[in-house]
Amino acid sequence: EVQLMQSGAEVKKPGESLKISCKGSRYSFTSYWIGWVRQMPGKGLEWMGIIYPSDSDTRYSPSFQGQVTISADKSISTAYLQWSSLKASDTAMYYCARSGGANVVDSWGQGTLVTVSS
Amino acid sequence: EIMMTQSPATLSVSPGERATLSCRASQSVSSNLAWYQQKPGQAPRLLIYGASTRATGIPARFSGSGSGTDFTLTISSLQSEDFAVYYCQQYDSWLFTFGPGTKVDIK
Repeated sequence: EVQLMQSGAEVKKPGESLKISCKGSRYSFTSYWIGWVRQMPGKGLEWMGIIYPSDSDTRYSPSFQGQVTISADKSISTAYLQWSSLKASDTAMYYCARSGGANVVDSWGQGTLVTVSS
Repeated sequence: EIMMTQSPATLSVSPGERATLSCRASQSVSSNLAWYQQKPGQAPRLLIYGASTRATGIPARFSGSGSGTDFTLTISSLQSEDFAVYYCQQYDSWLFTFGPGTKVDIK
C-alpha cells in the first residue's frame, strides 16, 4: 500500500521560515507527481501546486505562486513545502497527495498542521 | 483556471435514504473528475475517479455519473459512516481544482 508520511505539527511566529516534508514509500517515488493541498480551519480543499520528483518539474496554482516553494529530494523519496516568511493566514492543515495513474489523486498523507501565531 | 461548484452546500438525509450530490465545472473536463470523502480530523479519501469508477474498496452504494461539465455522486442508501463532507475535483488540467464541498449530515 502506498504511504505518504508527513512531518509533525508546527507552531511558528509570523515572519519565521518553515519547511514541512512528505516521504513516499511502497511505490516508485520518481514515477508520480506529488501535490500539496491547503485546508484552512473549517474550510475546503485548495490545490497549491505539484512537483514531479524525477526532474523537479514544478507547477504552482496562481494563488500560491510566489508564496511557497515546492521541492523534492528523490534520493530520499521526500517532497517539501516551504515558506520564507510565514503569516498568520498560513495557519492551516497541509496535505501532500500523490497524483497516480491518469493524474488521479489516489493517496494522501495524514496532514501537517501549521499554526502561525504571535 | 477551471472553477468547480457543488450543490447543495448541505444535505440533510436520514440513514437508509438516497443522497444525490451535484458538481459543475466552468468548462468541460471530459471525464477527468474525482469525488473525495472527508471526515473530521481525517485526510480526504478517494471514492470515485474517471467520473464513474469506484476506487479500490469503495462500497457499491457509491456511484458517480456525468461528463463534460455536469457530474453527480449518488449514495444509494446512507449508512452512519457516510455522514461527511464530499468534494469533487477536476484533473483535466494540471491545475487541479476542488469544489467547495457538500456536507451530508443526519436529518
